[in-house]
Amino acid sequence: EAGVAQSPRYKIIEKRQSVAFWCNPISGHATLYWYQQILGQGPKLLIQFQNNGVVDDSQLPKDRFSAERLKGVDSTLKIQPAKLEDSAVYLCASSLGTGSNQPQHFGDGTRLSIL
Amino acid sequence: AQTVTQSQPEMSVQEAETVTLSCTYDTSESDYYLFWYKQPPSRQMILVIRQEAYKQQNATENRFSVNFQKAAKSFSLKISDSQLGDAAMYFCAYCSGRYDKVIFGPGTSLSVIP
Repeated sequence: EAGVAQSPRYKIIEKRQSVAFWCNPISGHATLYWYQQILGQGPKLLIQFQNNGVVDDSQLPKDRFSAERLKGVDSTLKIQPAKLEDSAVYLCASSLGTGSNQPQHFGDGTRLSIL
Repeated sequence: AQTVTQSQPEMSVQEAETVTLSCTYDTSESDYYLFWYKQPPSRQMILVIRQEAYKQQNATENRFSVNFQKAAKSFSLKISDSQLGDAAMYFCAYCSGRYDKVIFGPGTSLSVIP
């Protein structure tokens, strides 16, 4: 089974620029998550989708971050404009469905550096 | 709000020895799940072990086992017969059974000494 795919693997931009990340979950997984992992910290949930609907985006900085999951499969996360504090690894994960007994499968992440 | 604490930022263990990583959490809920995830230097997070709060029996997965103390809100991970491939960041995580939202601890960096 193919795992969660993310691209790009690395991205370097200057502050105030925009950037987008892409995630392709495991086939058949209805739930998709985006996490932000700042160096030295655990991942923090930014947004959770169930199919193409948003379940939780309470920690998403909506003034600069946006995410969509068209057709309930692939997802993109965008930052516009980027700030220095956005430097982090952005992890995408997917699971079969909601429910705490459904393990999450993670991608390799995108390491974002803001200059 | 739920919180997860890992008081050991770094740990080391001799190859073939046993090591225990600590985790405590705070919650007022009775229905929840606890996890240990492993994140090697390549960054892909992998689920190591899962514990349902309603189960008294401690979960075990090969060389990995947990000591779940519900009253104390403690969830430690024991790795037996440590191998070089066990070197990684280990994250303790809590998931509410009601809200299905995972909260991660800050992690423990485990080094395995040959």
